[in-house]
Amino acid sequence: GNSVTQMEGPVTLSEEAFLTINCTYTATGYPSLFWYVQYPGEGLQLLLKATKADDKGSNKGFEATYRKETTSFHLEKGSVQVSDSAVYFCALSDLQNDYKLSFGAGTTVTVRA
Amino acid sequence: KAGVTQTPRYLIKTRGQQVTLSCSPISGHRSVSWYQQTPGQGLQFLFEYFSETQRNKGNFPGRFSGRQFSNSRSEMNVSTLELGDSALYLCASSLALDTQYFGPGTRLTVL
Repeated sequence: GNSVTQMEGPVTLSEEAFLTINCTYTATGYPSLFWYVQYPGEGLQLLLKATKADDKGSNKGFEATYRKETTSFHLEKGSVQVSDSAVYFCALSDLQNDYKLSFGAGTTVTVRA
Repeated sequence: KAGVTQTPRYLIKTRGQQVTLSCSPISGHRSVSWYQQTPGQGLQFLFEYFSETQRNKGNFPGRFSGRQFSNSRSEMNVSTLELGDSALYLCASSLALDTQYFGPGTRLTVL
């Protein structure tokens, strides 16, 4: 079956620091990959996605590249802000599993001023 | 375009009661999925509806059920509530099969 493994948190950073959250996956098919973000007390927001190998998803300064050879989809941001404090989830879906989303455990990121 | 809406946002119930949660998808989206989020189990898939038909179901007991109406709005029902059903219930809608957009969730507390 499908599974997603992401680096454990919590991660604490200072403002303007570089953020990277590792994500690797196992999939039976050829998945689409996603990063979702959850701010305190809210639902999940789609941050970015990539649907094929070597695609780079980007949004709000965040980037992630679909690496099929290493089955990875690491999230990066060059300069974080306090407002980036949230829980980040890596996820995948594929046709073989009827596009049900499989999520990683989530990584809590706290950015200090 | 309005996002996914869920009502109510918060619910408090006691063991043995039943509860119904509602989800209105993004206009034009015909697929609605439900997920349960708990600190211990993370995000788990409950079921998915498309054009009023349940297409997929996760590994949850029969106390969890749902339905979808002709306007794509969906409801989820949990009967005979247990303490372990306390969770954030998230609804997601999609137009293209692979991209799901989530609502704010309903926080259910079972006492």
